Amino acid sequence: QKEVEQDPGPLSVPEGAIVSLNCTYSNSAFQYFMWYRQYSRKGPELLMYTYSSGNKEDGRFTAQVDKSSKYISLFIRDSQPSDSATYLCAMISILTGGGNKLTFGTGTQLKVEL
Amino acid sequence: DTAVSQTPKYLVTQMGNDKSIKCEQNLGHDTMYWYKQDSKKFLKIMFSYNNKELIINETVPNRFSPKSPDKAHLNLHINSLELGDSAVYFCASSPVKGANYGYTFGSGTRLTVV
Repeated sequence: QKEVEQDPGPLSVPEGAIVSLNCTYSNSAFQYFMWYRQYSRKGPELLMYTYSSGNKEDGRFTAQVDKSSKYISLFIRDSQPSDSATYLCAMISILTGGGNKLTFGTGTQLKVEL
Repeated sequence: DTAVSQTPKYLVTQMGNDKSIKCEQNLGHDTMYWYKQDSKKFLKIMFSYNNKELIINETVPNRFSPKSPDKAHLNLHINSLELGDSAVYFCASSPVKGANYGYTFGSGTRLTVV
């Protein structure tokens, strides 16, 4: 079983829809939670990050973390065709010897259709 | 432009060959990483260097050898290439303090072994 589980999709929604993307994790050592967006043939780019349980909003994007349930979500409001990409949840654990490690979910492919 | 840059972007080579991928970052970050993304888009960490010191070495065949001549560069050398090595390899960097703000990724090197 992977440390981070994410539904691979694909997920297809009409323009303007609210999109909900989710991940569950098993490692209690994860301390920081992120969402990356990856367009086709590009590198992942950081979309949002959060540390504590609760919600964090940035424009049309809201990241939600529930540490007690080991569950994180990303909501996209008023989705646009330009949001079509693969969304990867990612989590950082701090290593005992120093440094840190970023572990990714498998990614959810999202397509927003006109 | 401040960025993480990798060369080459594409690499097609025959089984058994030895090849190198180069990575450079001008963000002033202390830590650099190599990730492998398979055909199912799963990103898995391979190595991490902090200021030229190896701090993460996941279960990767000995044919893969990272080299960090200075903290701005992290190269990946692969010996005796196999078909299963075909993937996209991403270089990334992060600051030591503030890694919770996420890693910055390069645009990837698409390796095809034939």
